[in-house]
Amino acid sequence: DGGITQSPKYLFRKEGQNVTLSCEQNLNHDAMYWYRQDPGQGLRLIYYSQIVNDFQKGDIAEGYSVSREKKESFPLTVTSAQKNPTAFYLCASSSAPGPQHFGDGTRLSIL
Amino acid sequence: SQKIEQNSEALNIQEGKTATLTCNYTNYSPAYLQWYRQDPGRGPVFLLLIRENEKEKRKERLKVTFDTTLKQSLFHITASQPADSATYLCALPNSGGYQKVTFGTGTKLQVIP
Repeated sequence: DGGITQSPKYLFRKEGQNVTLSCEQNLNHDAMYWYRQDPGQGLRLIYYSQIVNDFQKGDIAEGYSVSREKKESFPLTVTSAQKNPTAFYLCASSSAPGPQHFGDGTRLSIL
Repeated sequence: SQKIEQNSEALNIQEGKTATLTCNYTNYSPAYLQWYRQDPGRGPVFLLLIRENEKEKRKERLKVTFDTTLKQSLFHITASQPADSATYLCALPNSGGYQKVTFGTGTKLQVIP
């Protein structure tokens, strides 16, 4: 079955540590996205990529970094510069034009 | 960017009734509007897309309307079931940016048996 796989489901970060969230899709979609969801808030766009080797900042990119070396993969790194990283992170992909398909998220917490 | 308002209070309805959720937006009129369903601890799942030239769209027990004059979309679930209990998000495209959309905060629906 085609879809988006996010891993791990739960992740813990120590102070001053960078962590990387994985996102893989086998839908052959060109566009991929990373969102952050906090309780009672909508999804906020962190980064998005329209094509391999290209990505743009979203609304809350500070403290995050991404890469897009393969069409199927769009990993997100939460750096130590992100002072409030505890949240639910969602990865999505889409074809043009079309709705977004989401993974089941990674919940990041601080130790 | 688009500002979206969805009723932040939970909506509780009796099983079998019709649930109606509202999505209001400001600023420019979007070319289309999407509705998603999100269950706790899961990613949103796409349900329906309605374009600006469509007044109404149906899919099984779901119906979406789009009033560009009122800048509002209504999402209806007829003959609601406890399994319909979830948070429903509306999303609209940004004025610029390929495939970028802005999501509302969602309305939590609880269908009571």
